[in-house]
Amino acid sequence: GAGVSQSPSNKVTEKGKDVELRCDPISGHTALYWYRQSLGQGLEFLIYFQGNSAPDKSGLPSDRFSAERTGGSVSTLTIQRTQQEDSAVYLCASSLGGDLKTQYFGPGTRLLVL
Amino acid sequence: DQQVKQNSPSLSVQEGRISILNCDYTNSMFDYFLWYKKYPAEGPTFLISISSIKDKNEDGRFTVFLNKSAKHLSLHIVPSQPGDSAVYFCAASVYGSARQLTFGSGTQLTVLP
Repeated sequence: GAGVSQSPSNKVTEKGKDVELRCDPISGHTALYWYRQSLGQGLEFLIYFQGNSAPDKSGLPSDRFSAERTGGSVSTLTIQRTQQEDSAVYLCASSLGGDLKTQYFGPGTRLLVL
Repeated sequence: DQQVKQNSPSLSVQEGRISILNCDYTNSMFDYFLWYKKYPAEGPTFLISISSIKDKNEDGRFTVFLNKSAKHLSLHIVPSQPGDSAVYFCAASVYGSARQLTFGSGTQLTVLP
């Protein structure tokens, strides 16, 4: 498809397990973002990749969270030793450079940690 | 500490009337503001934006107003249509940077036919 895709769409896991969330950005988009939305909250910035530059990880809430982007395309967000407070919708977006008006979001992965 | 606040979680409006969605912010460094629309099971989509050097930006039925002194922005939709029913998020950024993009918690707009 032409849009940003994310998988899985839903993930239920047990506290303490590791999870991997995947994002396929729009082809040609050099910038990729991860956000999360907890219940009743706005979107919270997690990490930003732009081309070959070092990613901006300033939004990651703890060292249990990490992300990588391989070949400037697909990205994986990994949460180690999940906690119940990690339950949220994780959204990925991509854009042409840093132009926010070209930023398109994926449908998100709904993560539930039991 | 929520830097961007949407104090109305929901709003219902009759078709054809005006919808006004409000957003307040606290960080005076914000200089670029955006509105997004989100349908269920989809990601947010960009709707309209405004730079802090302007106080109004219009795009078809959508107009965004910015009052810097009050740290307040609003989105006007006129006339409202049933297809406008969605969650609307406002967001604010420093230097238009996605790294500093801060979102409100959203307002569910329902346009009644």
